[in-house]
Amino acid sequence: GNSVTQMEGPVTLSEEAFLTINCTYTATGYPSLFWYVQYPGEGLQLLLKATKADDKGSNKGFEATYRKETTSFHLEKGSVQVSDSAVYFCALSDPSTGNQFYFGTGTSLTVIP
Amino acid sequence: KAGVTQTPRYLIKTRGQQVTLSCSPISGHRSVSWYQQTPGQGLQFLFEYFSETQRNKGNFPGRFSGRQFSNSRSEMNVSTLELGDSALYLCASRDWAGNYGYTFGSGTRLTVV
Repeated sequence: GNSVTQMEGPVTLSEEAFLTINCTYTATGYPSLFWYVQYPGEGLQLLLKATKADDKGSNKGFEATYRKETTSFHLEKGSVQVSDSAVYFCALSDPSTGNQFYFGTGTSLTVIP
Repeated sequence: KAGVTQTPRYLIKTRGQQVTLSCSPISGHRSVSWYQQTPGQGLQFLFEYFSETQRNKGNFPGRFSGRQFSNSRSEMNVSTLELGDSALYLCASRDWAGNYGYTFGSGTRLTVV
């Protein structure tokens, strides 16, 4: 079946630190992979996506590469800011299951000045 | 392009009552999904509608129901409310190809007292 596993949080970093949030997946088909971000009191916003192996998604300084060989889609940012404090969700959409979405449990990030 | 609009933003109901939440998707999006988000359970999939037909359903009791209208607007209904139904209910829409992922609304915060 399909599933997404994210690293447990919460994660606390100092401003300008390097961020990695691990995400691995299992899928029956050839999924598209996504990272969503949720700021307090809001819905989820699409942060970046990758639709095939070796694709790199990037946005607002965040990056993630679709690694089929390790079934991973780790989120990275070179220098985090206080404004990056939020909950991050990894997700997949599998065409073989009607493009149903599968979300990870979310990782809370707090960046301190 | 207007985003996904959910109404109301906040709602307080009493145990045993019923509630209806509304979602207007992005223009042109024919697929609408609903999620329940709680601190303990995370994001849980309720159902997905496409062209007025329910395509996928999560593991929720029959008290949770939904529908989609010909203009793609969707409603979800919860009958006989329980305290445990208190949550943030998120609506998301997408084009049916699904490659661009979901666009989420800001959610309806339901509190059952």
